[in-house]
Amino acid sequence: GDSVTQMEGPVTLSEEAFLTINCTYTATGYPSLFWYVQYPGEGLQLLLKATKADDKGSNKGFEATYRKETTSFHLEKGSVQVSDSAVYFCALNDQAGTALIFGKGTTLSVSS
Amino acid sequence: DGGITQSPKYLFRKEGQNVTLSCEQNLNHDAMYWYRQDPGQGLRLIYYSQIVNDFQKGDIAEGYSVSREKKESFPLTVTSAQKNPTAFYLCASTWERRAFFGQGTRLTVV
Repeated sequence: GDSVTQMEGPVTLSEEAFLTINCTYTATGYPSLFWYVQYPGEGLQLLLKATKADDKGSNKGFEATYRKETTSFHLEKGSVQVSDSAVYFCALNDQAGTALIFGKGTTLSVSS
Repeated sequence: DGGITQSPKYLFRKEGQNVTLSCEQNLNHDAMYWYRQDPGQGLRLIYYSQIVNDFQKGDIAEGYSVSREKKESFPLTVTSAQKNPTAFYLCASTWERRAFFGQGTRLTVV
């Protein structure tokens, strides 16, 4: 079945460092890909999305490119801030739109 | 404001009790989901519903039950058959493949 694998954390960075969180997926057809962010004690919020190959999703300085050839959707940010500290989830929605599959989440901690 | 409302935010259950978690949405979305979140395990799907009066089991449905009598409401009952119910529960709906989440309910067995 469909699945999402993302790098395990925690990821600990200093402010203004470069961030990469790896995400790869297994799915048939052409799923949509997402990154969600969760702040402590809250639900998940959509960070960015991409719906077809080579699409780049971007929001708040974060970017991710849908790479079908490597089945990847890595999250990047050029300069992280303390306020970016949260748990990040990679996810896919299958082509039929019936299943939401999440990775296990990666905890990011940014210190000043 | 449109969105998904989960209540209560915190819930305590005694051993052997059934408890019901509420999830209401005013987004007019057809599909709704319940997830369980445990530390280090990400989100695991309990049940989902694509349409009123229909729902499907997810990966970890044992010990849980749901109903979908109205489009706006998708309550989750944690029964006494669920042996380890302490967790953070998240309700979501989807529209054009994007998920919208409630703020979650933290359930603790005491």
